[in-house]
Amino acid sequence: SQQGEEDPQALSIQEGENATMNCSYKTSINNLQWYRQNSGRGLVHLILIRSNEREKHSGRLRVTLDTSKKSSSLLITASRAADTASYFCAERDFGNEKLTFGTGTRLTIIP
Amino acid sequence: DAGITQSPRHKVTETGTPVTLRCHQTENHRYMYWYRQDPGHGLRLIHYSYGVKDTDKGEVSDGYSVSRSKTEDFLLTLESATSSQTSVYFCAISDPQQPQHFGDGTRLSIL
Repeated sequence: SQQGEEDPQALSIQEGENATMNCSYKTSINNLQWYRQNSGRGLVHLILIRSNEREKHSGRLRVTLDTSKKSSSLLITASRAADTASYFCAERDFGNEKLTFGTGTRLTIIP
Repeated sequence: DAGITQSPRHKVTETGTPVTLRCHQTENHRYMYWYRQDPGHGLRLIHYSYGVKDTDKGEVSDGYSVSRSKTEDFLLTLESATSSQTSVYFCAISDPQQPQHFGDGTRLSIL
């Protein structure tokens, strides 16, 4: 399977503003997951949205899924300096446990 | 982080030498994965395991082999390292239908 793409590749915003990242994927998915990666560390799971769901919330995170457009978005509200990281979407298709990751969005929060 | 340890954390070696990276988990998760992360490519799956002695290829498996002789350990071997295998390698674990948990990576440089 091919990697999905994320948009934008890099994003810088002021602390307190909202950040939106978009992800396009290639296949029919079982679910789509978002991960965060701080510099020099492994990925940390943020949120999972199933193919029959359209929106999901977790704290300051809001994820939407549009299966007709094969796209998802991650919204981080009221950003904080600690949100500075790279964010990746990952698609999981049916029939196996493998994930296909996007190329990521590098988010910088300016204090 | 989720009981995953990667070793070594850093390694520098020469072209043509064999290299083995180790992933150790204390979570008793069924699935284990090896990824490589390169600029512009995000994470790409090398091999994964769905049980002891059960492994399968990922997207970029050429030049790599794996072994899983017990639940807690998953080894990645580069039989004859090449400069194109310079990368950061991540191990991940998961249970069926659950998100993946990642180690902190091994930075491998092949000169």
